Amino acid sequence: QSALTQPRSVSESPGQSVTISCTGTISDVGGYNYVSWYQQHPGKAPKLIIFDVSKRPSGVPDRFSGSKSGNTASLTISGLQAEDEADYYCCSYAGTSVFGSGTKVTVV
Amino acid sequence: QAQLVQSGSEVKKPGASVNVSCKASGYTFASYGINWVRQAPGQGLEWMGWISTYKGDKDYGQNFQGRVTMTTDTSTSIVYMELRSLRSDDTAVYYCARDGDTPGGMDVWGHGTTVIVSS
Repeated sequence: QSALTQPRSVSESPGQSVTISCTGTISDVGGYNYVSWYQQHPGKAPKLIIFDVSKRPSGVPDRFSGSKSGNTASLTISGLQAEDEADYYCCSYAGTSVFGSGTKVTVV
Repeated sequence: QAQLVQSGSEVKKPGASVNVSCKASGYTFASYGINWVRQAPGQGLEWMGWISTYKGDKDYGQNFQGRVTMTTDTSTSIVYMELRSLRSDDTAVYYCARDGDTPGGMDVWGHGTTVIVSS
């Protein structure tokens, strides 16, 4: 199973918004509403920030939002803050799981 | 609170096997499956497989079929992951992660176990 496709990096100024895409196929992202997103700071374990395409776990700021259209899922971070600088990974569950290639978000 | 504590770092020679443990606490062990995810240095996350802590059902990633075995011990709330025939490109941080209330939503993660494969 090939990794889902994400942009390698995105950068934006504090207070602005960024959207990260996650492209798969009808066999994974497009066929199931089990897309999750993870935030990972250097040297730390990943943290779940979105599940079931658009749901946020308790404690995750509402600046983080998820959506899906066809075979592409998206994570939007609104009102960027310095602490949002991290790597972000999507993941699709379709019986088995597959992660995206990862996107480095830089707050410039 | 729910927590996963993993075993310590390992250094192995090529061809050897490694066994990493993941001890759960703070929740009902058999109510949530466990995933194993690894991350090679400077690389992304790679899903290795999942095990049901209730029935012991397993799903392994294609890249690991035949080389990985996941087991669960409900008496101690520990999940084990054995990877055999180690190669240098198995050098990575190995994480266990709890499957939350929805499939694939990994809501609790261990701190990671570094495995170095070197001759």
